[in-house]
Amino acid sequence: DTEVTQTPKHLVMGMTNKKSLKCEQHMGHRAMYWYKQKAKKPPELMFVYSYEKLSINESVPSRFSPECPNSSLLNLHLHALQPEDSALYLCASSLILLTGTNTGELFFGEGSRLTVL
Amino acid sequence: GNSVTQMEGPVTLSEEAFLTINCTYTATGYPSLFWYVQYPGEGLQLLLKATKADDKGSNKGFEATYRKETTSFHLEKGSVQVSDSAVYFCALTSNFGNEKLTFGTGTRLTIIP
Repeated sequence: DTEVTQTPKHLVMGMTNKKSLKCEQHMGHRAMYWYKQKAKKPPELMFVYSYEKLSINESVPSRFSPECPNSSLLNLHLHALQPEDSALYLCASSLILLTGTNTGELFFGEGSRLTVL
Repeated sequence: GNSVTQMEGPVTLSEEAFLTINCTYTATGYPSLFWYVQYPGEGLQLLLKATKADDKGSNKGFEATYRKETTSFHLEKGSVQVSDSAVYFCALTSNFGNEKLTFGTGTRLTIIP
């Protein structure tokens, strides 16, 4: 299984809603990522988890709250978002070698397209 | 810090034409280099990679050679197909096991029959 599965594929929410994006992989990858991608732009890193612990937060607003409940799952909780948060949210994972080195080779899901009204 | 500079797009070619998308980088140490492809409406897929100088990555007829002397990793394909239409991203990660992947701005490629 070499897939990263993201749900939902599409999400429309109001600025007062609370919703969550989910991501799952079964490749044994111990690094997992959230990226945000606006139209015609490269992905922007939001968060990185290594061994289920948050290792990088790229100064993301607190209305985005990541969670890594176990080595296969990654969630992104959304609350009080703004219309400018509308984007494609990509989850990815990568292998950490026994030496502790991250290969840097990311496997991406197809993304969750979020629209904030 | 690390940075990746990609050829500006969009690029439009006829089927069976030769493709080159330029990519140069700035990095400390000895980075690993990647090309990712994003087809319309999809996430990114790794196309090819190279982890040390003079390595050549190849996949699906695409090739790129890690040139340390020119800090480049240009993507080439000898004969493109309509199905190659996509956005191509050059990217790097440092050799220190850094978890951060630095992307170029992406190059949109359209192949016309």
